[in-house]
Amino acid sequence: QKEVEQNSGPLSVPEGAIASLNCTYSDRGSQSFFWYRQYSGKSPELIMSIYSNGDKEDGRFTAQLNKASQYVSLLIRDSQPSDSATYLCAVDTGRRALTFGSGTRLQVQP
Amino acid sequence: DVKVTQSSRYLVKRTGEKVFLECVQDMDHENMFWYRQDPGLGLRLIYFSYDVKMKEKGDIPEGYSVSREKKERFSLILESASTNQTSMYLCASEGDGGKRGANVLTFGAGSRLTVL
Repeated sequence: QKEVEQNSGPLSVPEGAIASLNCTYSDRGSQSFFWYRQYSGKSPELIMSIYSNGDKEDGRFTAQLNKASQYVSLLIRDSQPSDSATYLCAVDTGRRALTFGSGTRLQVQP
Repeated sequence: DVKVTQSSRYLVKRTGEKVFLECVQDMDHENMFWYRQDPGLGLRLIYFSYDVKMKEKGDIPEGYSVSREKKERFSLILESASTNQTSMYLCASEGDGGKRGANVLTFGAGSRLTVL
């Protein structure tokens, strides 16, 4: 079983819709969770971090964490074509380095 | 802003050659990382370093070694390149991201290595 799992997609949503990206992780002791965005041909960049159960909002982005279910998600409201990218879920399992999922490709259709 | 610079954007090497990938960060960060990225496999951790001359193996260290003689520089070495090491290599430096949270990774632009 992979430590961090994501659906590879592509996830296709119309412009203005809510995009929901999901991630599950296997290490119950994980404490820190991150969402990175990677545009085609570019390097990943951090968009959200979350450390405690519940929701964390930053502009159009909301990260949700449920440690009991070992599940973290990213919601993008009012999706724009510029949000089209691969979204990488990353988890700190306590070994001082992040473990990444394989990413979900999001396509926002104009 | 933190800048992470990888010395080579594209490299083509032959099987058996020794390959050096260099990474330099300018923010005095202690932690640095080397990942490789392959389609469908995401980012996989090769090695990381949390201090000068310190290194730890990641998930796929076989065939690689690293060097960290100075805090700002973290080098990845392929002692004898093989075709299955054709990949995108990403270096990252870790520091405080301010309101975005602690332990934020800043990545370099990547080095795309092709081994023939």
